[in-house]
Amino acid sequence: KAGVTQTPRYLIKTRGQQVTLSCSPISGHRSVSWYQQTPGQGLQFLFEYFSETQRNKGNFPGRFSGRQFSNSRSEMNVSTLELGDSALYLCASSPQTWGPTGELFFGEGSRLTVL
Amino acid sequence: GIQVEQSPPDLILQEGANSTLRCNFSDSVNNLQWFHQNPWGQLINLFYIPSGTKQNGRLSATTVATERYSLLYISSSQTTDSGVYFCAGGGSTLGRLYFGRGTQLTVWP
Repeated sequence: KAGVTQTPRYLIKTRGQQVTLSCSPISGHRSVSWYQQTPGQGLQFLFEYFSETQRNKGNFPGRFSGRQFSNSRSEMNVSTLELGDSALYLCASSPQTWGPTGELFFGEGSRLTVL
Repeated sequence: GIQVEQSPPDLILQEGANSTLRCNFSDSVNNLQWFHQNPWGQLINLFYIPSGTKQNGRLSATTVATERYSLLYISSSQTTDSGVYFCAGGGSTLGRLYFGRGTQLTVWP
């Protein structure tokens, strides 16, 4: 069974641009969540989607948004990029369908550098 | 949110040594996971262990949910064990795990 797939793996953008990252969950998993990892803040929760609905959102500005499609694939978008958005963005999927978070399985991440 | 404290922050061992990593939570968690982050950044699942003890080869983990802590044991360390180990747990909030800052493990040959 294929794991969580994230694209692109690496990208470089300049301040003010926007970026879209993609995540394909493990087959059969309908919950997808996103995390940002930086040296200063560690791993921080961005948002979680289930059946195309955002169920939970972390403490990030509105420049960070996401969506989930009917096939459970998810995208996240960051608009008006700032230098501080440089980070590793990790996507995770879970077989959990309701209730508290179940076991998460992570992709390899998308490493974003903002110049 | 839930605060997660991992100790020690750094650990340097010689190959063959044993080690214990600890994770404390400020509040009860419904789940608990241990991850190893590989050099390319991917978080590799080690254990999903809301309570009790599990073993997988040279690694084992114990979670005492009532006392809000978990331990990860690594026996007979190998250089390939090097990397950052994270613990994470969630409360009742859907899809959300709270992560510790990690333990950076370095194993020398």
